[in-house]
Amino acid sequence: DADVTQTPRNRITKTGKRIMLECSQTKGHDRMYWYRQDPGLGLRLIYYSFDVKDINKGEISDGYSVSRQAQAKFSLSLESAIPNQTALYFCATSQAGANVLTFGAGSRLTVL
Amino acid sequence: GQQLNQSPQSMFIQEGEDVSMNCTSSSIFNTWLWYKQEPGEGPVLLIALYKAGELTSNGRLTAQFGITRKDSFLNISASIPSDVGIYFCAGQGSGGGADGLTFGKGTHLIIQP
Repeated sequence: DADVTQTPRNRITKTGKRIMLECSQTKGHDRMYWYRQDPGLGLRLIYYSFDVKDINKGEISDGYSVSRQAQAKFSLSLESAIPNQTALYFCATSQAGANVLTFGAGSRLTVL
Repeated sequence: GQQLNQSPQSMFIQEGEDVSMNCTSSSIFNTWLWYKQEPGEGPVLLIALYKAGELTSNGRLTAQFGITRKDSFLNISASIPSDVGIYFCAGQGSGGGADGLTFGKGTHLIIQP
């Protein structure tokens, strides 16, 4: 099994719908992250969490929310999806104080 | 925020050729990381650099932390088909956590047989 598992891997939805992307990890890492990848733009940080109940905004948090339900679970929500949120989303984990990330395989979201 | 320029944006090469890509920053970094992303997968760490001037190899891959602390390069020798993917650099100035990482926009490597 993968160390960092993302579900769903692919999702097509319509404008205005609520979407949740889920992430679970078996690394035992305290810190979890959500990134967005767009062609030619690299990876941009949406939200991150250092521990359960700790939530921090990243570079592009507008239009997104997160929930850290347990040490191993970190979900990303789009309350009302819009087409420019079409992207590849990655969850990642790291040990406390470390800057090396372990990424999931990604969730491709298409908003029509 | 910190600006990080990665080049080239894409490379079309023949199998067996050597590859070189680099990242430059507008500010000093304390860490440089190089990741590879294969189609349908998340980025995977290739090499981590923590000291100016550091030169580190991982098989056919070699990366260096620039002396000025504002740049890093990644070389791949004798490329093979499985080297195809997107290579990302990531740098960090201050602080120890991954929340401080800035990613380059990636170098898309395409190998023609």
